[in-house]
Amino acid sequence: QVQLVQSGPEVKEPGASVRVSCKPSGYTFTSYGISWVRQAPGQGLEWMGWISAYDGTTNYAQEFRDRVTMTTETSTTTVYMELRSLRSDDTAVYFCARKGCGGDCYSADFWGQGTLVTVSS
Amino acid sequence: QSVLTQPPSVSAAPGQKVTISCSGSNSNIGNNYVSWYQQLPGTAPRLLIYENNKRRSGIPDRFSGSKSGTSATLGITGLQTGDEADYYCGTWDTTLSGGVFGGGTKLTVL
Repeated sequence: QVQLVQSGPEVKEPGASVRVSCKPSGYTFTSYGISWVRQAPGQGLEWMGWISAYDGTTNYAQEFRDRVTMTTETSTTTVYMELRSLRSDDTAVYFCARKGCGGDCYSADFWGQGTLVTVSS
Repeated sequence: QSVLTQPPSVSAAPGQKVTISCSGSNSNIGNNYVSWYQQLPGTAPRLLIYENNKRRSGIPDRFSGSKSGTSATLGITGLQTGDEADYYCGTWDTTLSGGVFGGGTKLTVL
C-alpha cells in the first residue's frame, strides 16, 4: 500500500534552516510528484510547492520562493524540503503528499504523517 | 487570509445532511478541478473528493462533491459522529501558479 513516511520533529532557533524528509513507498517513485503543505497551530492548510520526482522540476509558492528548496534523491527514493532563515511564524506541522494529478493542478491523494517544526530561541 | 472562502463552521444532527461551500474566482475554481479533504483532530488530511465530484476509492457515497462556476460544494448525508472533523477545499490558481486552499470548515455533529 502507498505510504509516505516523514522524518521526526525538529526544534530550531530563528535564522536557522531545517530539512524535512519524506520517503514514499508502495508505488513507482518517479511516477508522481510530491507536494509540501504546512499547517500552523490551530490554522488551516498552506501550499508550499511541489517537485516532480521524475525530473526534479519544482514550483514554489511565491511567499516561499526565496527560502525553500525541494529536492529528490532517486537512489533512496526520498524527497526533501529545506526551509531557510526560519522565523517564529514558521512553527507548523509540515506535510508531504503525493500529487494526484499531472501538470498545473492540485490534488493530494496520499499524505505523510506530518513533521512538527518548532522555531524558538 | 485564504484565497478560497469556506464557512468557519457548520453543524447538524446525526443522520441529517450538511453542505459545505467553497467560493473562489475564475482564476482558481472557475477553471480548475476542486478537491476536498477531511482532517480528523491530530491527523493528516485525507482526500475525499477529486476532480470536483469523484469519490476517492473507499470513501462512502454519503460524501459528494459538485462545482458550479466559481463555487464548489461538499455534501455529507447520514451524518455520523465520526464525521466530526475539519474539511478543506483545494484547487490550483492559474494566476498565482500554485495550489490554494480554503480556510477550513469545522463540522460538528450535535
